[in-house]
Amino acid sequence: GESVGLHLPTLSVQEGDNSIINCAYSNSASDYFIWYKQESGKGPQFIIDIRSNMDKRQGQRVTVLLNKTVKHLSLQIAATQPGDSAVYFCAEDSNSGYALNFGKGTSLLVTP
Amino acid sequence: KAGVTQTPRYLIKTRGQQVTLSCSPISGHRSVSWYQQTPGQGLQFLFEYFSETQRNKGNFPGRFSGRQFSNSRSEMNVSTLELGDSALYLCASSLIRGRNEQFFGPGTRLTVL
Repeated sequence: GESVGLHLPTLSVQEGDNSIINCAYSNSASDYFIWYKQESGKGPQFIIDIRSNMDKRQGQRVTVLLNKTVKHLSLQIAATQPGDSAVYFCAEDSNSGYALNFGKGTSLLVTP
Repeated sequence: KAGVTQTPRYLIKTRGQQVTLSCSPISGHRSVSWYQQTPGQGLQFLFEYFSETQRNKGNFPGRFSGRQFSNSRSEMNVSTLELGDSALYLCASSLIRGRNEQFFGPGTRLTVL
């Protein structure tokens, strides 16, 4: 079936650097995407979303880029902090209703 | 405002037993969704409830069921537990159906022995 997936399972960055987490999706009909952050022992936390009529959206220290041509999504975190260490998931809103289809996740480790 | 609460937080069961997990959404939220999270499969959608009706269902066997009450609280039930049902079960609530932010609870960690 069609799926949402991530390029890298782990990413290690130094504090203060920028982080880029990538996500590929295969369903060309997908038109809504969300990034979630999950810290150990907690449920996923919404970071930012983007609709397919946009190619970029910015939040506080985060930017999501959407390239529909190659079906690729990325999350950029500026000036990465130790508190950003977590697993990051991209998710796609199913066209059949409100049922998020999650990627496998990328573990971000911020080192001092 | 209190977040999504799930009870119990941890549960140990044996194969063949059944289990019921509970989710209380954020006050005022009417849509509740359930997800299963495992290391191998990641986060997988189980079902979504709105106004006491199941609106969507993921690709899980009939052993997985759920319901929603008039106060929007939701329960999910797994019967005839299998080892592979060991997972973190997450509940998420949102104000309305559709593309709005879902708020997740901390999950219930189910271990099947």
